[in-house]
Amino acid sequence: AAGVIQSPRHLIKEKRETATLKCYPIPRHDTVYWYQQGPGQDPQFLISFYEKMQSDKGSIPDRFSAQQFSDYHSELNMSSLELGDSALYFCASSPRGSGRALDEQYFGPGTRLTVT
Amino acid sequence: KQEVTQIPAALSVPEGENLVLNCSFTDSAIYNLQWFRQDPGKGLTSLLLIQSSQREQTSGRLNASLDKSSGRSTLYIAASQPGDSATYLCAVMDSSYKLIFGSGTRLLVRP
Repeated sequence: AAGVIQSPRHLIKEKRETATLKCYPIPRHDTVYWYQQGPGQDPQFLISFYEKMQSDKGSIPDRFSAQQFSDYHSELNMSSLELGDSALYFCASSPRGSGRALDEQYFGPGTRLTVT
Repeated sequence: KQEVTQIPAALSVPEGENLVLNCSFTDSAIYNLQWFRQDPGKGLTSLLLIQSSQREQTSGRLNASLDKSSGRSTLYIAASQPGDSATYLCAVMDSSYKLIFGSGTRLLVRP
């Protein structure tokens, strides 16, 4: 079965650079969630999209932006990177629009971002 | 604001023991609760999902229970094996469909 795809899997950037993380949800899933997991920490919700519209927003810095495209893939854009942005970034998808809003979120393998 | 707490933070047991991991949450208005496994530096593997209307779910040696009214869930692992060593995360889905995670329990099963 198809899973959530994230690219790249690893990314190394320098301070003040920009980074773009991509997420391709499971086919027919219309909802995408982004989570950030810092070293030794639990995953924290950043932002979500449902049917290409922002659905909810968590503790996402103003330097970060995200969107969901017509094919339902999503991109997380991160600018003016800081050392503290080094983390594992997870994307998850779910078929919320199917009416089965209680379904689980399916997680991708994550993108490990290292800022030097 | 929903808060999820997991106890204990770390656990070391000999192989073969049955063990219980605990998860508590402050707001009972949840859609579901998921237990995940995470190996060091790796992704999240979903173990069990319990809908808010359910009381337990089982998969192999794993059994998860949910008491929504008291804000508690337990993950029971039977006959633990060294391969079970990992961090176990509990997460609840809140009213806006996002997951709120606990800090996890780091499990070490000694051969």
